[in-house]
Amino acid sequence: DAGITQSPRHKVTETGTPVTLRCHQTENHRYMYWYRQDPGHGLRLIHYSYGVKDTDKGEVSDGYSVSRSKTEDFLLTLESATSSQTSVYFCAISDQGAGGPVQYFGPGTRLTVL
Amino acid sequence: DQQVKQNSPSLSVQEGRISILNCDYTNSMFDYFLWYKKYPAEGPTFLISISSIKDKNEDGRFTVFLNKSAKHLSLHIVPSQPGDSAVYFCAASEWTGNTPLVFGKGTRLSVIA
Repeated sequence: DAGITQSPRHKVTETGTPVTLRCHQTENHRYMYWYRQDPGHGLRLIHYSYGVKDTDKGEVSDGYSVSRSKTEDFLLTLESATSSQTSVYFCAISDQGAGGPVQYFGPGTRLTVL
Repeated sequence: DQQVKQNSPSLSVQEGRISILNCDYTNSMFDYFLWYKKYPAEGPTFLISISSIKDKNEDGRFTVFLNKSAKHLSLHIVPSQPGDSAVYFCAASEWTGNTPLVFGKGTRLSVIA
């Protein structure tokens, strides 16, 4: 257990509304990531962070922004939600495994945009 | 362009037999590979990894094989158990410490009792 929680776990919202998803970790990991999972696409990276206030874009960053003002929290914001952003969102942290760096995932947030 | 490919969307195996899940990659800069298992309504869980300096890594019932020249890796599960039924994702990265992972689309394994 990598001590990762995500909130909310489920959310239904309407097109055009802002939405913020929260990822919280308890073990002071430097690297944090946001992915989305969609049928037929696997997991795709949205944004990641390599420290407080240090973030970078991933493969599918359009329509998303992130913030990391504290080590333990990584927020993902949909400024104006669209139906194409209906997905399951996973947060991850990176930790050193026996053979190399391993990403550990949170339980996910299921977001439905109507 | 898909950099990590899992060409079999699904696989069915009898309990007790071997499950072999395959993964191909195109980016020659990838030198670290991981397999994750995912149950419905849960986050992916790490199974096993391998770096490009090895061609095999074992952990209990799970073995990963890497063929760098073919840009191919496979996950072997022996013996397969009903609890292994899940979606398996292959992931790859460059060994720079914490480079984001690139995932395949996943293979759904069903182990039939």
